[in-house]
Amino acid sequence: DAKTTQPPSMDCAEGRAANLPCNHSTISGNEYVYWYRQIHSQGPQYIIHGLKNNETNEMASLIITEDRKSSTLILPHATLRDTAVYYCIVSPGKAAGNKLTFGGGTRVLVKP
Amino acid sequence: GAVVSQHPSRVICKSGTSVKIECRSLDFQATTMFWYRQFPKQSLMLMATSNEGSKATYEQGVEKDKFLINHASLTLSTLTVTSAHPEDSSFYICSARNRLAGRKEEQFFGPGTRLTVL
Repeated sequence: DAKTTQPPSMDCAEGRAANLPCNHSTISGNEYVYWYRQIHSQGPQYIIHGLKNNETNEMASLIITEDRKSSTLILPHATLRDTAVYYCIVSPGKAAGNKLTFGGGTRVLVKP
Repeated sequence: GAVVSQHPSRVICKSGTSVKIECRSLDFQATTMFWYRQFPKQSLMLMATSNEGSKATYEQGVEKDKFLINHASLTLSTLTVTSAHPEDSSFYICSARNRLAGRKEEQFFGPGTRLTVL
């Protein structure tokens, strides 16, 4: 699986948009970009995933660059409950047995 | 939505004993479940892939005789830590993928089980 690089931590203000970057310069053509988050002492929670096109759901938006070497997860209006570690993962999905390899993630602290 | 449960949520045991952790998909069927381990302040590490009706596939470095996995039904996988030692103390997390997910690729994670071996 391609590796990802994320900043180790970032702060954001409650009510503002949080933009979380992820670099995946060695991504292959069949690899998806997944985002999960883990709130302290809980299991990870799926947020969103995409292949080439930008995606949006009720939780977040995923912006993937045209060359697919990087992406940004956008939390439109961060709340205190969004404080968590956010993981960006690239994987070919079924082609890799649906395995997910977690990196270090970004520890996001939403401040009042 | 898809819910995955784990039992127990916390367990404390003596060194040398075995501990069984259950992972259940409550509202969907999962032919494949995954077991992860997470040490404090570290990321999740995949231990094994649990396949319904067949043997589990273990990641490199994970002892299959120590971490016994059974996936007897489409909604239940169990992880047994045999002859547990203090270094096995960790947060164990399972995940499952809906077998009818089709193009949807997301996995759903359980809440985790914190194992403490004294």
